[in-house]
Amino acid sequence: DQQVKQNSPSLSVQEGRISILNCDYTNSMFDYFLWYKKYPAEGPTFLISISSIKDKNEDGRFTVFLNKSAKHLSLHIVPSQPGDSAVYFCAASAEGSQGNLIFGKGTKLSVKP
Amino acid sequence: EAGVAQSPRYKIIEKRQSVAFWCNPISGHATLYWYQQILGQGPKLLIQFQNNGVVDDSQLPKDRFSAERLKGVDSTLKIQPAKLEDSAVYLCASSPWVVEAFFGQGTRLTVV
Repeated sequence: DQQVKQNSPSLSVQEGRISILNCDYTNSMFDYFLWYKKYPAEGPTFLISISSIKDKNEDGRFTVFLNKSAKHLSLHIVPSQPGDSAVYFCAASAEGSQGNLIFGKGTKLSVKP
Repeated sequence: EAGVAQSPRYKIIEKRQSVAFWCNPISGHATLYWYQQILGQGPKLLIQFQNNGVVDDSQLPKDRFSAERLKGVDSTLKIQPAKLEDSAVYLCASSPWVVEAFFGQGTRLTVV
């Protein structure tokens, strides 16, 4: 039973345009959400996070939106750059889990010049 | 700031052999995690330490996997005996607080 779902295995976007990566979750106890970026042969790198008490968090070109009623979050990258090409993982943590992160399967983003 | 160090980077072993992975977390990080990432999947938590105590090992296959974190710093993860389905990348991560983990490069294990 997958608690964090990233239904799009891949996404291709033109350089300069917006990239939108989606993530759905089923566990209503999740109260903290994170996005990680992973290049080949490297470990995941923390990108941005959001607490369940917020609906938006912005950091430069990256914005994460949280819709608690729909149990959905999304990562927007504007403008997309070729260096953003990587696998993006959505992760969630439940209150009281002491940081146990539940990851989605990832979405491979390709930004074409 | 030095990142999370893991070794070896790659390991190939035959099934039923044993293998050990080593992790050195970021200095001062109290929390240490071992994750298993099978190809095409997201990382899955195997075990979490807070200092040298185990916080969560509910998903660790204890009949063949073991992990320790002596003195609350370095950690080792061992598999004995290995099975074909253990082929994966083993990621170590550490955190100064409970949620935002910093990952090492991982050890890619191939069991043949």
